[in-house]
Amino acid sequence: GAVVSQHPSWVICKSGTSVKIECRSLDFQATTMFWYRQFPKQSLMLMATSNEGSKATYEQGVEKDKFLINHASLTLSTLTVTSAHPEDSSFYICSARDTGGIEKLFFGSGTQLSVL
Amino acid sequence: AQTVTQSQPEMSVQEAETVTLSCTYDTSESDYYLFWYKQPPSRQMILVIRQEAYKQQNATENRFSVNFQKAAKSFSLKISDSQLGDAAMYFCAGGTSYGKLTFGQGTILTVHP
Repeated sequence: GAVVSQHPSWVICKSGTSVKIECRSLDFQATTMFWYRQFPKQSLMLMATSNEGSKATYEQGVEKDKFLINHASLTLSTLTVTSAHPEDSSFYICSARDTGGIEKLFFGSGTQLSVL
Repeated sequence: AQTVTQSQPEMSVQEAETVTLSCTYDTSESDYYLFWYKQPPSRQMILVIRQEAYKQQNATENRFSVNFQKAAKSFSLKISDSQLGDAAMYFCAGGTSYGKLTFGQGTILTVHP
Protein backbone atom coordinates (compact mmCIF):
# COMPACT_ATOMS: atom_id res chain seq x y z
CA GLY A 1 0.00 0.00 0.00
CA ALA A 2 0.90 3.65 -0.14
CA VAL A 3 3.54 4.81 2.29
CA VAL A 4 4.51 8.18 3.60
CA SER A 5 8.07 8.32 4.85
CA GLN A 6 8.90 10.91 7.49
CA HIS A 7 12.46 11.66 8.62
CA PRO A 8 14.03 11.93 11.03
CA SER A 9 12.09 9.88 13.58
CA TRP A 10 13.60 11.88 16.38
CA VAL A 11 15.96 14.81 16.64
CA ILE A 12 17.63 16.61 19.50
CA CYS A 13 18.97 20.08 18.92
CA LYS A 14 20.30 23.05 20.81
CA SER A 15 18.18 26.10 21.40
CA GLY A 16 18.56 28.61 18.59
CA THR A 17 19.32 26.11 15.84
CA SER A 18 17.08 25.14 12.94
CA VAL A 19 15.74 21.67 12.24
CA LYS A 20 14.32 20.30 8.99
CA ILE A 21 11.77 17.49 8.88
CA GLU A 22 11.00 15.69 5.63
CA CYS A 23 7.78 14.05 4.56
CA ARG A 24 7.96 12.00 1.40
CA SER A 25 5.29 10.06 -0.45
CA LEU A 26 6.91 6.90 -1.77
CA ASP A 27 4.50 5.54 -4.35
CA PHE A 28 1.98 8.25 -5.08
CA GLN A 29 1.83 11.91 -5.92
CA ALA A 30 0.89 13.97 -2.90
CA THR A 31 -0.89 17.01 -4.22
CA THR A 32 -1.61 18.18 -0.71
CA MET A 33 0.25 17.64 2.53
CA PHE A 34 -0.71 18.54 6.06
CA TRP A 35 1.49 19.17 9.06
CA TYR A 36 0.27 18.48 12.58
CA ARG A 37 1.73 18.98 16.02
CA GLN A 38 1.02 16.78 19.01
CA PHE A 39 1.97 17.38 22.63
CA PRO A 40 2.19 14.37 24.99
CA LYS A 41 -1.17 12.67 25.49
CA GLN A 42 -2.92 15.43 23.58
CA SER A 43 -4.66 15.73 20.27
CA LEU A 44 -3.20 16.45 16.85
CA MET A 45 -3.40 20.11 15.99
CA LEU A 46 -3.16 21.18 12.36
CA MET A 47 -0.35 23.63 11.77
CA ALA A 48 -0.46 24.17 8.03
CA THR A 49 -1.53 22.86 4.66
CA SER A 50 0.78 22.78 1.68
CA ASN A 51 -0.01 22.29 -1.97
CA GLU A 52 2.70 21.46 -4.46
CA GLY A 53 4.19 24.59 -5.96
CA SER A 54 2.20 26.97 -3.76
CA LYS A 55 2.79 28.80 -0.52
CA ALA A 56 1.60 26.97 2.56
CA THR A 57 -1.57 28.01 4.35
CA TYR A 58 -1.05 28.32 8.09
CA GLU A 59 -3.62 27.87 10.82
CA GLN A 60 -4.40 30.73 13.10
CA GLY A 61 -1.76 31.18 15.76
CA VAL A 62 1.00 29.33 13.90
CA GLU A 63 4.02 31.50 13.15
CA LYS A 64 4.79 31.10 9.48
CA ASP A 65 8.26 32.62 9.86
CA LYS A 66 9.11 30.08 12.52
CA PHE A 67 7.65 27.02 10.85
CA LEU A 68 8.76 27.15 7.23
CA ILE A 69 7.00 24.73 4.94
CA ASN A 70 8.14 23.90 1.43
CA HIS A 71 6.29 21.62 -0.99
CA ALA A 72 8.47 21.89 -4.07
CA SER A 73 7.57 18.56 -5.62
CA LEU A 74 4.65 16.16 -5.70
CA THR A 75 6.50 13.72 -3.46
CA LEU A 76 8.26 15.89 -0.89
CA SER A 77 7.25 18.45 1.70
CA THR A 78 9.56 19.81 4.37
CA LEU A 79 8.93 21.55 7.67
CA THR A 80 11.78 23.65 9.03
CA VAL A 81 11.60 24.80 12.62
CA THR A 82 13.75 27.93 12.70
CA SER A 83 15.56 29.15 15.79
CA ALA A 84 14.07 26.33 17.83
CA HIS A 85 13.35 26.84 21.51
CA PRO A 86 12.41 24.34 24.23
CA GLU A 87 8.72 25.21 23.83
CA ASP A 88 8.93 23.92 20.24
CA SER A 89 9.67 20.44 21.57
CA SER A 90 6.82 18.30 20.32
CA PHE A 91 5.81 15.43 18.07
CA TYR A 92 5.31 16.55 14.46
CA ILE A 93 3.29 14.42 12.04
CA CYS A 94 2.64 14.89 8.34
CA SER A 95 -0.13 13.48 6.23
CA ALA A 96 -0.34 13.33 2.47
CA ARG A 97 -3.32 13.10 0.18
CA ASP A 98 -3.29 11.46 -3.20
CA THR A 99 -5.29 12.86 -6.11
CA GLY A 100 -7.88 10.23 -5.32
CA GLY A 101 -9.23 12.27 -2.45
CA ILE A 102 -9.64 11.57 1.22
CA GLU A 103 -9.89 7.84 0.61
CA LYS A 104 -6.17 8.09 -0.09
CA LEU A 105 -4.94 10.02 2.90
CA PHE A 106 -1.86 8.64 4.63
CA PHE A 107 0.14 9.62 7.70
CA GLY A 108 3.88 9.68 8.22
CA SER A 109 5.37 8.02 11.27
CA GLY A 110 6.11 11.29 13.02
CA THR A 111 9.15 13.15 14.31
CA GLN A 112 9.89 13.79 17.97
CA LEU A 113 11.73 17.09 18.33
CA SER A 114 13.51 17.82 21.57
CA VAL A 115 15.10 21.24 21.96
CA LEU A 116 17.65 21.58 24.75
CA ALA B 1 -15.37 25.03 10.56
CA GLN B 2 -15.55 21.75 12.39
CA THR B 3 -15.29 20.65 16.00
CA VAL B 4 -14.86 17.13 17.32
CA THR B 5 -15.41 16.21 20.96
CA GLN B 6 -14.46 13.06 22.78
CA SER B 7 -15.76 13.17 26.34
CA GLN B 8 -14.06 10.02 27.61
CA PRO B 9 -10.39 10.66 28.42
CA GLU B 10 -9.93 7.02 29.43
CA MET B 11 -11.81 3.77 28.98
CA SER B 12 -11.04 0.23 29.99
CA VAL B 13 -12.33 -3.15 28.88
CA GLN B 14 -11.73 -6.78 29.67
CA GLU B 15 -10.20 -8.90 26.98
CA ALA B 16 -12.90 -10.46 24.74
CA GLU B 17 -15.50 -7.95 25.90
CA THR B 18 -17.07 -5.07 23.97
CA VAL B 19 -16.38 -1.38 24.48
CA THR B 20 -17.85 1.74 22.91
CA LEU B 21 -15.97 5.00 22.49
CA SER B 22 -18.03 8.17 22.12
CA CYS B 23 -17.58 11.09 19.77
CA THR B 24 -19.72 14.07 18.87
CA TYR B 25 -19.02 16.61 16.18
CA ASP B 26 -20.27 19.78 14.64
CA THR B 27 -19.70 21.02 11.11
CA SER B 28 -20.97 23.55 8.62
CA GLU B 29 -20.07 21.29 5.71
CA SER B 30 -22.72 19.33 3.84
CA ASP B 31 -20.27 16.76 2.52
CA TYR B 32 -17.87 15.41 5.10
CA TYR B 33 -16.15 12.32 6.38
CA LEU B 34 -15.67 10.94 9.87
CA PHE B 35 -12.83 8.76 11.04
CA TRP B 36 -11.53 6.75 13.94
CA TYR B 37 -7.76 6.52 14.21
CA LYS B 38 -5.73 4.36 16.55
CA GLN B 39 -2.42 5.66 17.91
CA PRO B 40 -0.40 2.96 19.68
CA PRO B 41 2.73 3.73 21.72
CA SER B 42 4.71 3.90 18.46
CA ARG B 43 2.57 6.98 17.71
CA GLN B 44 1.92 5.86 14.14
CA MET B 45 -1.58 6.93 13.14
CA ILE B 46 -3.56 3.89 12.02
CA LEU B 47 -6.90 4.28 10.29
CA VAL B 48 -9.48 2.12 12.01
CA ILE B 49 -12.62 3.06 10.15
CA ARG B 50 -14.00 5.76 7.86
CA GLN B 51 -17.60 6.88 7.37
CA GLU B 52 -18.89 8.99 4.53
CA ALA B 53 -21.58 11.31 5.89
CA TYR B 54 -23.82 10.79 2.87
CA LYS B 55 -23.99 7.06 3.55
CA GLN B 56 -26.68 6.00 5.98
CA GLN B 57 -25.23 2.56 6.50
CA ASN B 58 -22.83 2.32 9.39
CA ALA B 59 -19.28 1.37 8.43
CA THR B 60 -17.78 -1.84 9.76
CA GLU B 61 -14.28 -3.29 9.65
CA ASN B 62 -14.05 -6.73 11.19
CA ARG B 63 -14.38 -6.22 14.97
CA PHE B 64 -14.80 -2.48 14.63
CA SER B 65 -18.09 -0.80 13.82
CA VAL B 66 -19.55 2.66 14.16
CA ASN B 67 -22.91 4.03 15.17
CA PHE B 68 -23.36 7.11 13.01
CA GLN B 69 -26.26 9.29 14.09
CA LYS B 70 -26.21 12.18 11.65
CA ALA B 71 -29.05 14.19 13.15
CA ALA B 72 -27.52 13.92 16.61
CA LYS B 73 -24.02 14.51 15.20
CA SER B 74 -22.76 11.46 17.01
CA PHE B 75 -20.16 8.98 15.80
CA SER B 76 -19.30 6.23 18.29
CA LEU B 77 -16.89 3.33 17.80
CA LYS B 78 -17.69 -0.15 19.02
CA ILE B 79 -14.86 -2.62 19.47
CA SER B 80 -16.06 -6.21 19.81
CA ASP B 81 -14.05 -9.12 21.20
CA SER B 82 -11.41 -6.72 22.50
CA GLN B 83 -7.82 -7.85 22.23
CA LEU B 84 -4.72 -6.78 24.10
CA GLY B 85 -3.41 -5.25 20.89
CA ASP B 86 -6.36 -2.87 20.82
CA ALA B 87 -4.88 -0.92 23.71
CA ALA B 88 -3.99 2.53 22.39
CA MET B 89 -5.11 6.14 22.15
CA TYR B 90 -8.13 6.45 19.87
CA PHE B 91 -8.92 9.66 18.02
CA CYS B 92 -12.16 10.62 16.37
CA ALA B 93 -11.67 12.99 13.46
CA GLY B 94 -13.68 14.78 10.83
CA GLY B 95 -12.91 16.45 7.54
CA THR B 96 -13.87 17.07 3.97
CA SER B 97 -12.56 15.35 0.86
CA TYR B 98 -9.73 17.88 0.84
CA GLY B 99 -8.06 15.88 3.58
CA LYS B 100 -7.76 18.50 6.29
CA LEU B 101 -8.80 16.79 9.52
CA THR B 102 -9.97 18.05 12.89
CA PHE B 103 -9.24 15.65 15.72
CA GLY B 104 -10.95 15.07 19.04
CA GLN B 105 -9.10 15.06 22.32
CA GLY B 106 -8.53 11.32 22.25
CA THR B 107 -9.53 8.39 24.45
CA ILE B 108 -6.94 6.12 26.05
CA LEU B 109 -8.18 2.55 25.87
CA THR B 110 -6.81 -0.01 28.30
CA VAL B 111 -7.47 -3.70 27.74
CA HIS B 112 -7.25 -5.94 30.80
CA PRO B 113 -6.32 -9.60 30.36
